[in-house]
Amino acid sequence: KAGVTQTPRYLIKTRGQQVTLSCSPISGHRSVSWYQQTPGQGLQFLFEYFSETQRNKGNFPGRFSGRQFSNSRSEMNVSTLELGDSALYLCASSSGLGQGANEQFFGPGTRLTVL
Amino acid sequence: AQSVAQPEDQVNVAEGNPLTVKCTYSVSGNPYLFWYVQYPNRGLQFLLKYITGDNLVKGSYGFEAEFNKSQTSFHLKKPSALVSDSALYFCAVRDKGSSNTGKLIFGQGTTLQVKP
Repeated sequence: KAGVTQTPRYLIKTRGQQVTLSCSPISGHRSVSWYQQTPGQGLQFLFEYFSETQRNKGNFPGRFSGRQFSNSRSEMNVSTLELGDSALYLCASSSGLGQGANEQFFGPGTRLTVL
Repeated sequence: AQSVAQPEDQVNVAEGNPLTVKCTYSVSGNPYLFWYVQYPNRGLQFLLKYITGDNLVKGSYGFEAEFNKSQTSFHLKKPSALVSDSALYFCAVRDKGSSNTGKLIFGQGTTLQVKP
């Protein structure tokens, strides 16, 4: 089985721009979660989608949004970029079932740099 | 609120020696606990998880972890460290009461350095 794929792997943007990141989960997985990783804040949960519905949301401003398509692929969007949005954005997939006992499988991440 | 603490930013160990990476957690109910490893410029790789049952959990690459409910700990261990084990290790928790959410709460991470 192919793993979780994320595109693009690297991205450079300037302040005020917007960006869209893409994630393709493992085949058969219906849950996709997004995390932001920074040296200062560590790994922080952004949101989770399951069967095209947002199931949970972290404590991030409204500039961060996401969606999931019927094939379980997910995108996240960040509008009006700020310098502090520079981070590694990780996508993780799981079956989404089983009362939370399932581990998540992570993609390689998208490294976003905001200048 | 759920939280995870990894009290050591870095752990240094000689190759062949046993290693321990510490993790303590705080949740309102019973936890699901996970360990992940991250190599440079890579995503997180799943190592092992505790769901229920036996307190000693065995995982990938010879790693194991011991769940201790009274001490709210889930320390990662390996009997004999390899240089290739050098990486960033994350402990994570999910509250069973979260009811099907995928959200994981991560510790700050511990860098493991194994020297030849």
